[in-house]
Amino acid sequence: SYVLTQPPSVSVAPGQTARITCGGNNIGSKSVHWYQQKPGQAPVLVVYDDSDRPSGIPERFSGSNSGNTATLTISRVEAGDEADYYCQVWDSSSDHPGVFGGGTKLTVL
Amino acid sequence: EVQLVESGGGLVQPGGSLRLSCAASGFTFSSYSMNWVRQAPGKGLEWVSYISSSSSTIYYADSVKGRFTISRDNAKNSLYLQMNSLRDEDTAVYYCARGRPVGATLFDYWGQGTLVTVSS
Repeated sequence: SYVLTQPPSVSVAPGQTARITCGGNNIGSKSVHWYQQKPGQAPVLVVYDDSDRPSGIPERFSGSNSGNTATLTISRVEAGDEADYYCQVWDSSSDHPGVFGGGTKLTVL
Repeated sequence: EVQLVESGGGLVQPGGSLRLSCAASGFTFSSYSMNWVRQAPGKGLEWVSYISSSSSTIYYADSVKGRFTISRDNAKNSLYLQMNSLRDEDTAVYYCARGRPVGATLFDYWGQGTLVTVSS
């Protein structure tokens, strides 16, 4: 089955840029979606189809996807961005197609 | 406003059964695929099951295949998850999440989750 690999943690100072990676075999051929989850809350979709943002998500959140790595970029990081972030793809070739990465804890220093 | 409200969680013994429900509102439920996603305490997200808008296509994670059954009632705007032969490792918060109308899906709206605890 398809595997997505994320770093367990990323740390960044306020105002700087955070980059969270999601690795997978030829992930560039798939649509990647990103979710933010704060403690005790349900996940929220922040980027879909590699680089699109749902309404209400700040422009500071952006995404890219090429080759074997997708990246969520958060510019001008704020304290309120501290959360767990998950990447996700739909592996249409599988009979169990829903796949999440293991998650990355973003810490704002 | 899209709303998803799960119910039916609780404490159950290993080997027992539980039925989760998800009440949907604020969108045309019958036009969208739906999913269950779970999260064990302190762990990451795990996709559990998918059902297409017409119930014609259903998928399960290997970890629940043969024990869980997803279903929906479009007339009642409701999604269900029948969970049988429950194991300790099924302990988790279970979320229902809206997918896309067709094709490869994402999860654009989530409920608040319902906690299932499997323990003797």
